[in-house]
Amino acid sequence: DTAVSQTPKYLVTQMGNDKSIKCEQNLGHDTMYWYKQDSKKFLKIMFSYNNKELIINETVPNRFSPKSPDKAHLNLHINSLELGDSAVYFCASSQAASGRIYEQYFGPGTRLTVT
Amino acid sequence: GQQVMQIPQYQHVQEGEDFTTYCNSSTTLSNIQWYKQRPGGHPVFLIQLVKSGEVKKQKRLTFQFGEAKKNSSLHITATQTTDVGTYFCAGPQGGKLIFGQGTELSVKP
Repeated sequence: DTAVSQTPKYLVTQMGNDKSIKCEQNLGHDTMYWYKQDSKKFLKIMFSYNNKELIINETVPNRFSPKSPDKAHLNLHINSLELGDSAVYFCASSQAASGRIYEQYFGPGTRLTVT
Repeated sequence: GQQVMQIPQYQHVQEGEDFTTYCNSSTTLSNIQWYKQRPGGHPVFLIQLVKSGEVKKQKRLTFQFGEAKKNSSLHITATQTTDVGTYFCAGPQGGKLIFGQGTELSVKP
């Protein structure tokens, strides 16, 4: 069984389109994250949810809107896609973060290419 | 804000040679985590170090946490082609993990 799964694995779209990425974890974790990895492999956190509540919102354009329908799912919707949004987006999960950062389990990633 | 720096950015070794990557934080860390990302893959958690001066081993991998808890290192003895990938350190700040830039290791058979 896949612990953290994401769909789709690849996403090729044109500028200006709107797209969504879905993430699900079956580890029973309370905290989920979205990371962006650029072409230089730099990993940067975008959002973090704890038990469906948004707890971290980095300086991400408001074209990016995460949604957590339940604690096992965290989706990412992106409006008006731009060339600079091209990257690999990773979903991750961990145990609840109450003052401590536990190890994170990453999904396989979604490679987004905006043309 | 906190910065986590990793060096070198790239390392090319002959199979059987040793490899070390270094991680430095601008602030004292409560703990440090290490991840490995294979080419085309996703980051996979390797280990977490918590105590000052801590040393942990996983087979050919040795992880160290500095006495001041501001630096860490990962040493691989006698590299193998299966060690290829990017190694990241990460330190917590404000409820999130700050990742280093990673060290990309390539191993020539």
